[in-house]
Amino acid sequence: DAMVIQNPRYQVTQFGKPVTLSCSQTLNHNVMYWYQQKSSQAPKLLFHYYDKDFNNEADTPDNFQSRRPNTSFCFLDIRSPGLGDAAMYLCATSRVAGEEQFFGPGTRLTVL
Amino acid sequence: SQQGEEDPQALSIQEGENATMNCSYKTSINNLQWYRQNSGRGLVHLILIRSNEREKHSGRLRVTLDTSKKSSSLLITASRAADTASYFCATESNFGNEKLTFGTGTRLTIIP
Repeated sequence: DAMVIQNPRYQVTQFGKPVTLSCSQTLNHNVMYWYQQKSSQAPKLLFHYYDKDFNNEADTPDNFQSRRPNTSFCFLDIRSPGLGDAAMYLCATSRVAGEEQFFGPGTRLTVL
Repeated sequence: SQQGEEDPQALSIQEGENATMNCSYKTSINNLQWYRQNSGRGLVHLILIRSNEREKHSGRLRVTLDTSKKSSSLLITASRAADTASYFCATESNFGNEKLTFGTGTRLTIIP
């Protein structure tokens, strides 16, 4: 089945230790999104790609970076995680920007 | 903030009853979407309604949109225990910025 896959599902890192979360999709969608979701809150968009065009949200901290080496894969790099970065990180795709989004199961990040 | 608001924040009903959730938003939109999120999981798209539509149905779901009031409602009829989840509305503004803005969510609990 076509889907959005996120690895790992659970990630534990230490304060300040870089971490990379990955997302892959078999839907061949042009647009990929990274969201941060804290407990009982709405997903907050960090950035998105339209094909290779990168779009950063104005309030996304510089600590967060992203790479999309090809259509199928997208990575979220957190260069120096702080305690406040502990959250669920959701990857999503859409065929057309602004239309239905397909979400992965998320990666739960814990920062010790 | 451009984030939408949902009402109520939490809702508990008996199985078999109908559940209604409301969403208000701030900007002019191209479309409004509803998503479901089970605890600790990714979001699942339920339904999309465009700005020129007033009502849409999908199975036990009924969505209405009132662009003059900048509001939408999601009705789930004949609720089931499996409907227990958080429900989020999300809007695509007509600024052409390719992204969704999520509301604060309603936590729905169905009591068997």
